[in-house]
Amino acid sequence: QKEVEQDPGPLSVPEGAIVSLNCTYSNSAFQYFMWYRQYSRKGPELLMYTYSSGNKEDGRFTAQVDKSSKYISLFIRDSQPSDSATYLCAMTDTGGFKTIFGAGTRLFVKA
Amino acid sequence: SAVISQKPSRDICQRGTSLTIQCQVDSQVTMMFWYRQQPGQSLTLIATANQGSEATYESGFVIDKFPISRPNLTFSTLTVSNMSPEDSSIYLCSVEGPLRGDYGYTFGSGTRLTVV
Repeated sequence: QKEVEQDPGPLSVPEGAIVSLNCTYSNSAFQYFMWYRQYSRKGPELLMYTYSSGNKEDGRFTAQVDKSSKYISLFIRDSQPSDSATYLCAMTDTGGFKTIFGAGTRLFVKA
Repeated sequence: SAVISQKPSRDICQRGTSLTIQCQVDSQVTMMFWYRQQPGQSLTLIATANQGSEATYESGFVIDKFPISRPNLTFSTLTVSNMSPEDSSIYLCSVEGPLRGDYGYTFGSGTRLTVV
């Protein structure tokens, strides 16, 4: 079993939809949770970072962490065609020694 | 946030040859990281490069296959040696955050390697 599981998609939604992207994990030592966006032929760029449990909002993006369920989510409101990309979750353990990435979910937002 | 320049952006190489990938950061950083991203798979850390010391390799990666140089605090190279088609992948260098005051990593644009 992988330490981090992420549905690869692809996920196709119409413009304006609310998008929900998710990851599950097995290592309870993970404390730092991140979401990256990766456009085609580009490196990943950090979108959101959350420490431990809770929610964090940044514009149209909301990150949620539920440590009891070992489940994290990224919500995108009012999705735009420019949001079409691969979204990777990542998490780091307490000591910051190990960061594990999900395989990424491909998202297509249709105009 | 740091800006990372990585080159080449892509290359097609013959099996048995070697390719050196360069990574330049616009600020001094202690650690630089090299990742591999294979299609449909998660980013996998190859090694961590500190200036003035040998790189630290992750399980499954060895120095003979992926030699790394780190001559100063802004530059690093990764060489993929004696390449086979299985080495076809995207290779990314990265540095630690902060980015906008957050924890995380900044990545270069990657090198898309195809071995034929």
